[in-house]
Amino acid sequence: SQKIEQNSEALNIQEGKTATLTCNYTNYSPAYLQWYRQDPGRGPVFLLLIRENEKEKRKERLKVTFDTTLKQSLFHITASQPADSATYLCALDNNAGNMLTFGGGTRLMVKP
Amino acid sequence: EAQVTQNPRYLITVTGKKLTVTCSQNMNHEYMSWYRQDPGLGLRQIYYSMNVEVTDKGDVPEGYKVSRKEKRNFPLILESPSPNQTSLYFCASSPARAQPQHFGDGTRLSIL
Repeated sequence: SQKIEQNSEALNIQEGKTATLTCNYTNYSPAYLQWYRQDPGRGPVFLLLIRENEKEKRKERLKVTFDTTLKQSLFHITASQPADSATYLCALDNNAGNMLTFGGGTRLMVKP
Repeated sequence: EAQVTQNPRYLITVTGKKLTVTCSQNMNHEYMSWYRQDPGLGLRQIYYSMNVEVTDKGDVPEGYKVSRKEKRNFPLILESPSPNQTSLYFCASSPARAQPQHFGDGTRLSIL
C-alpha cells in the first residue's frame, strides 16, 4: 500500500543549529514533492516544491533534497530560530498528478 | 490580498442537521480541494475540483458532497452529519493541479 512517513516524534534542537526533517515514501512515483509549514490552528503554508529531476532546491535558509532511488526527501533549516518552531508536512502527488497526499508531519521545536 | 476564505470558522451542531461550509478564493485558481485533519491521521483529501463543473473524489469522500458552479467557490456539504465527521476542515486552491496550494484558515466542526 502507499505510505508517506515522517518522524512523528517532535524534533528538539538548539537555536542556531541545522534542523533536518525526513520524508520517506513507498509505492509512489511522484513527479514532484512539496513541503509545507503548519502553525497550531492555522492552515498549511507552502514552502518549497522539488521535481523528480531536481536533486536539490534552496530558498533562503531552507534546503530540500529529493532522492527518487531512496524514495526520500530531506528538509533542512539552517541557522534555526525559535520562530521556525512549527509542524512541517511533506506532500506527494499521486501518479495521475491530480491529488496531493500529505505525510503526518514532524513537529519542530527550536529552543533559544 | 490573495486568500482562501472559509466560513464558518467554528460550528457545533447535531447529528443529521444538514450543513454547508463555504470556501471562496480570489486568485482565479482552477484547482480547489477540501481536506480534513485529524490527530494521528494527518491531512486527508475529501474532494477536489480541477475546474468549473469538474469534481472528483479524494481519499475520504463518504458522507460529503461538493459543487463547483463558479470558479471562485467550492462549498462542502454534509447532508446528514455524524459524530465521526467532527474534525478540522481545510479548503485549498492552486493555479493548476500540480502547483503549490494556498490553504484557508480552517473550519472546526463538532457534531454531537
